[in-house]
Amino acid sequence: GESVGLHLPTLSVQEGDNSIINCAYSNSASDYFIWYKQESGKGPQFIIDIRSNMDKRQGQRVTVLLNKTVKHLSLQIAATQPGDSAVYFCAENWGAGSYQLTFGKGTKLSVIP
Amino acid sequence: DTAVSQTPKYLVTQMGNDKSIKCEQNLGHDTMYWYKQDSKKFLKIMFSYNNKELIINETVPNRFSPKSPDKAHLNLHINSLELGDSAVYFCASSELAHYEQYFGPGTRLTVT
Repeated sequence: GESVGLHLPTLSVQEGDNSIINCAYSNSASDYFIWYKQESGKGPQFIIDIRSNMDKRQGQRVTVLLNKTVKHLSLQIAATQPGDSAVYFCAENWGAGSYQLTFGKGTKLSVIP
Repeated sequence: DTAVSQTPKYLVTQMGNDKSIKCEQNLGHDTMYWYKQDSKKFLKIMFSYNNKELIINETVPNRFSPKSPDKAHLNLHINSLELGDSAVYFCASSELAHYEQYFGPGTRLTVT
């Protein structure tokens, strides 16, 4: 299940199940979104991105869905593996000629073997 | 080969000291960044440099100063360290006019 509060939101899933990590972004004018994975003791790594003119993009075992109406982004991981355990961040670009990324709060994914 | 590297990985120091964190990228990127990640894992951008020109400064205290001797390096110098500066600092780089940023492994700074 998922817990949200003062601490980092955590999602626990059984190995082999699908995972869905959600993100509410802040700026309705944002035109680009990216998901990063951060393993313990490491820097964030790119997973997948999506532009605002799309509502779905698929990668290898991952799918990103974008709902601009409610400013919601999700990352779906198929057949979750222990190596998927990490903190996942969504980030948005506010457009207007800037390439700066604004990061969300992060969700910790724990995979139960 | 490490794309974005930072030194040191760990830095423990006392309040009031001055310290520097170094960052190097071998990707040929034009833009480099510094982020601060707090204990709740929140990532906040501090600076970015594009061709030796500061283009973003997110209201960071002026005790923090980025220094870029060349396109491949962006060092972070911190004066008069405070307890609240304790965090993990990440360097990142990107191609000019590209969104995707490549992050270094981070430097954990502890101020005692």
